[in-house]
Amino acid sequence: SAVISQKPSRDICQRGTSLTIQCQVDSQVTMMFWYRQQPGQSLTLIATANQGSEATYESGFVIDKFPISRPNLTFSTLTVSNLSPEDSSIYLCSVVQDRVADTQYFGPGTRLTVL
Amino acid sequence: QKEVEQDPGPLSVPEGAIVSLNCTYSNSAFQYFMWYRQYSRKGPELLMYTYSSGNKEDGRFTAQVDKSSKYISLFIRDSQPSDSATYLCAMTDNSGNTPLVFGKGTRLSVIA
Repeated sequence: SAVISQKPSRDICQRGTSLTIQCQVDSQVTMMFWYRQQPGQSLTLIATANQGSEATYESGFVIDKFPISRPNLTFSTLTVSNLSPEDSSIYLCSVVQDRVADTQYFGPGTRLTVL
Repeated sequence: QKEVEQDPGPLSVPEGAIVSLNCTYSNSAFQYFMWYRQYSRKGPELLMYTYSSGNKEDGRFTAQVDKSSKYISLFIRDSQPSDSATYLCAMTDNSGNTPLVFGKGTRLSVIA
């Protein structure tokens, strides 16, 4: 199975600043996704990170707030911009290795606290 | 109505008990059904995967899917304290590159 690492594992940020989260996979993957998991809530898909093109965002999420890059098949970044306390959450990178639904793996997550 | 409904619990059981975790869903297009286990401060890990209706057994874990009722279950036999975690159901349609839709997760505590 794919091994996924995320950096940072946690951070505390001030209101109005931005945080960039990195996701690194140990093998090439076909799909990469970014999820948010708010306290006591389910995982909510933010966007699909597309290699070499703009990410595909879900309803309620916009590029200005959550810019995403995916320069190659093993790496992606998610930036959470203009932070507010409502952005306090766990952000998870997820990958699909070969377009089969049962091979979707998750990174360990990045715990963000906004003061 | 949310696409996937899951009782968030918390659920507390004694060691050795049989645990039943359930989800209902509304989208009849869902074909792939998963259960993820998430320990505190960790990412979700895939526990069980079932395609379409039927049962699947893996050790102490059994996953059941009833598409006619839009209802899925995960049974844990002989539960252990190490099973204490949040269990999330997830599902997707027949397209392998469609993102998963998750339930809220059920927090389970197995008491020794």
